[in-house]
Amino acid sequence: AQTVTQSQPEMSVQEAETVTLSCTYDTSENNYYLFWYKQPPSRQMILVIRQEAYKQQNATENRFSVNFQKAAKSFSLKISDSQLGDTAMYFCASTEYNFNKFYFGSGTKLNVKP
Amino acid sequence: EPEVTQTPSHQVTQMGQEVILRCVPISNHLYFYWYRQILGQKVEFLVSFYNNEISEKSEIFDDQFSVERPDGSNFTLKIRSTKLEDSAMYFCASSDGLFAHEQYFGPGTRLTVT
Repeated sequence: AQTVTQSQPEMSVQEAETVTLSCTYDTSENNYYLFWYKQPPSRQMILVIRQEAYKQQNATENRFSVNFQKAAKSFSLKISDSQLGDTAMYFCASTEYNFNKFYFGSGTKLNVKP
Repeated sequence: EPEVTQTPSHQVTQMGQEVILRCVPISNHLYFYWYRQILGQKVEFLVSFYNNEISEKSEIFDDQFSVERPDGSNFTLKIRSTKLEDSAMYFCASSDGLFAHEQYFGPGTRLTVT
């Protein structure tokens, strides 16, 4: 089984600034995948970014990037040039290689202030 | 862009009653999932479903729960003899099984058991 921990229940950032959301996980698997999902208020979760554990290079999607530290089992999300539309709940998640079961963290509520 | 839909958005039921939560996954997807989130807690995996059978289920998914794909479009979660602790947000998700099984989530059904 895997566990995912997000230690920051809530964060705030000024528009145009950079913010980093933390996530740690625990797994005994060698092959797994990590994800960040965004859930805007009253809307469904959407995938922000994903990382394969066997890849050393950190994933990047436009203003979103991750810092994947495999040995430390850490998977943080950096949002650059924060926008008001980034205000949402962010969930870190992991899955084993067979993708049958996803594990989620408790979420970080991000508030981007104008 | 295709979306996963869920009905109803809010269901209120009395303890001991049976409820059916409905989901319409994205049409070409083959993998289906149910999750739940009790208020203030993590999103928890309940069950995954592929090829008309359960792929994996969590400890939460006991005999009280069942899933079905009654036709080519719907994916349902039935909860028999509901309990107060079943009150939660229930999310359906689907995946096409391609890279890293990116999951597309529905908006959720809020179940309130009184």
